[in-house]
Amino acid sequence: AQKITQTQPGMFVQEKEAVTLDCTYDTSDPSYGLFWYKQPSSGEMIFLIYQGSYDQQNATEGRYSLNFQKARKSANLVISASQLGDSAMYFCAMREANSGGSNYKLTFGKGTLLTVNP
Amino acid sequence: DAGVTQSPTHLIKTRGQQVTLRCSPKSGHDTVSWYQQALGQGPQFIFQYYEEEERQRGNFPDRFSGHQFPNYSSELNVNALLLGDSALYLCASSLWESGFFSSYNEQFFGPGTRLTVL
Repeated sequence: AQKITQTQPGMFVQEKEAVTLDCTYDTSDPSYGLFWYKQPSSGEMIFLIYQGSYDQQNATEGRYSLNFQKARKSANLVISASQLGDSAMYFCAMREANSGGSNYKLTFGKGTLLTVNP
Repeated sequence: DAGVTQSPTHLIKTRGQQVTLRCSPKSGHDTVSWYQQALGQGPQFIFQYYEEEERQRGNFPDRFSGHQFPNYSSELNVNALLLGDSALYLCASSLWESGFFSSYNEQFFGPGTRLTVL
């Protein structure tokens, strides 16, 4: 089974509107962390937001917020007030405590290509 | 303060050749991870180095090997190149944690090396 599933290959949003990018995950480990990264066409992975499995509140970072629903194993990224510069690939990723001792092995989804229209 | 740097930016090789990619971690970081990102896919974990030792390895053949130097920089070597090795190779640096904690431990990615195998 896929550990990280991103079901939206592509999404379109109008400038200044909000958009939600979906991510579901699969783990039996009670201790894990969830990440969202942005990858522009240049290729560099840019960290956006992090949610730990024990965090009581949903993470927020500026225009980014993470809608964390633990029971449903979903960690959707919400981008408010979209900007043209938000057009990029977005990846959801997870690290698990029992990932063989590696403390920073990330498992990525296949990504969602977001296009912001003027 | 320089972030993660990688060299070269682009590389073209032919099947059967060998290649070496280089990574310098962000100042203060001691752990380097390597990822392979094929076109249209999310990054896949290759291996991780800490204290000049390979700490964890993903599902990659022995043709992929690495090294970490005392200054924490790292090399990724790929022998007997195949067409399927064409990808963006990403290096990420972080601080080693002795145990897993659900709180965020920053990990920064470099801009990547784009390898084309003809």
